[in-house]
Amino acid sequence: DQQVKQNSPSLSVQEGRISILNCDYTNSMFDYFLWYKKYPAEGPTFLISISSIKDKNEDGRFTVFLNKSAKHLSLHIVPSQPGDSAVYFCAARPTNNDMRFGAGTRLTVKP
Amino acid sequence: DAGVTQSPTHLIKTRGQHVTLRCSPISGHKSVSWYQQVLGQGPQFIFQYYEKEERGRGNFPDRFSARQFPNYSSELNVNALLLGDSALYLCASSSRSGTARTNEKLFFGSGTQLSVL
Repeated sequence: DQQVKQNSPSLSVQEGRISILNCDYTNSMFDYFLWYKKYPAEGPTFLISISSIKDKNEDGRFTVFLNKSAKHLSLHIVPSQPGDSAVYFCAARPTNNDMRFGAGTRLTVKP
Repeated sequence: DAGVTQSPTHLIKTRGQHVTLRCSPISGHKSVSWYQQVLGQGPQFIFQYYEKEERGRGNFPDRFSARQFPNYSSELNVNALLLGDSALYLCASSSRSGTARTNEKLFFGSGTQLSVL
């Protein structure tokens, strides 16, 4: 029952260019979406979130876009930096008590 | 300020054994959640506790149990370990202040890497 899907297991971009990470979901009851970043040997760290009443949220180099009709969200990183290289997880909240995570996308930013 | 701390960081057990994982939330956080992350997958929800009561449970067998203590720390117990229980177990805390639906985010610890041989 994979309600949150990240179909690209990996993405490689050049430093300074835009990174676009995609996420699809199936449950229309999801009303809060988050992106987490994970480095090896560390737990996921919160990056940015968006409520279903919005279609865009921006925080510095990071912007999350939500398309509810398509059940799709994306994370844009501009400009990408080598330190952004990590695994990025998309998450969505179906109830008040848990979050559903995608399988993650490994981003590599090349100098 | 200390983040979410988990112990031990690594653990090796054999099939059929029992394991206890521990978690201390961020100071002031009363909600603790447990997640299992198998290699190549995202974290899967196991339990959520708030004010020492179980508030949510994922699709895991009864071999998995947890509890939360008066100081809001938590333990995850797994009985009769199977090879498939090998995973990174993540604890997360949040500043959730009640049972109302809020847009709080989870703060994760570094996890306990459990290997079952």
